[in-house]
Amino acid sequence: DVKVTQSSRYLVKRTGEKVFLECVQDMDHENMFWYRQDPGLGLRLIYFSYDVKMKEKGDIPEGYSVSREKKERFSLILESASTNQTSMYLCASRTGWGNTEAFFGQGTRLTVV
Amino acid sequence: GNSVTQMEGPVTLSEEAFLTINCTYTATGYPSLFWYVQYPGEGLQLLLKATKADDKGSNKGFEATYRKETTSFHLEKGSVQVSDSAVYFCALSYNQGGKLIFGQGTELSVKP
Repeated sequence: DVKVTQSSRYLVKRTGEKVFLECVQDMDHENMFWYRQDPGLGLRLIYFSYDVKMKEKGDIPEGYSVSREKKERFSLILESASTNQTSMYLCASRTGWGNTEAFFGQGTRLTVV
Repeated sequence: GNSVTQMEGPVTLSEEAFLTINCTYTATGYPSLFWYVQYPGEGLQLLLKATKADDKGSNKGFEATYRKETTSFHLEKGSVQVSDSAVYFCALSYNQGGKLIFGQGTELSVKP
């Protein structure tokens, strides 16, 4: 059974903290993605990676960075957390492009206070 | 740019009612189109997909047809169940270097 695992379901952090969200997939997929999900806005792409150490900005990369040192792991970093980064964060992976299925983790609900 | 627009929710139906959730897209060329579903407390999972014009994707009683002429991919089900209550997302992707672009999501609530 394929699996994308996010390290935390719920996280509470203080404004200004550096926050790490971890995602691991066991399917040997080349491509991994970080989205944030907000009511009425759907899923917005923050960053994606198409290979180890390769990354591209999505639609809302400001305030975020990513790291992909190993194929199975893709980390999202909030350099200095702010209250407007309170959201649900979803990680996904897939092989290839186009018509291939993306597999999602269960999400991390991050609250910044 | 490329985008996906869904009908606003929430949509509330009685069990066994007919469901339509509208989805239209703006894109150049020929993207692949998807419907994903998110059940409460879970991540998204693929419901169905279509990869070229006039293709029909189907799964679990749900269907959607890729209409190039109207740039649409509406989701339909003939008889919904309480267990279909979830948020439904329409999405598109390209074959070369394509991001997966999602619509806003439509929440469906089915009452017994």
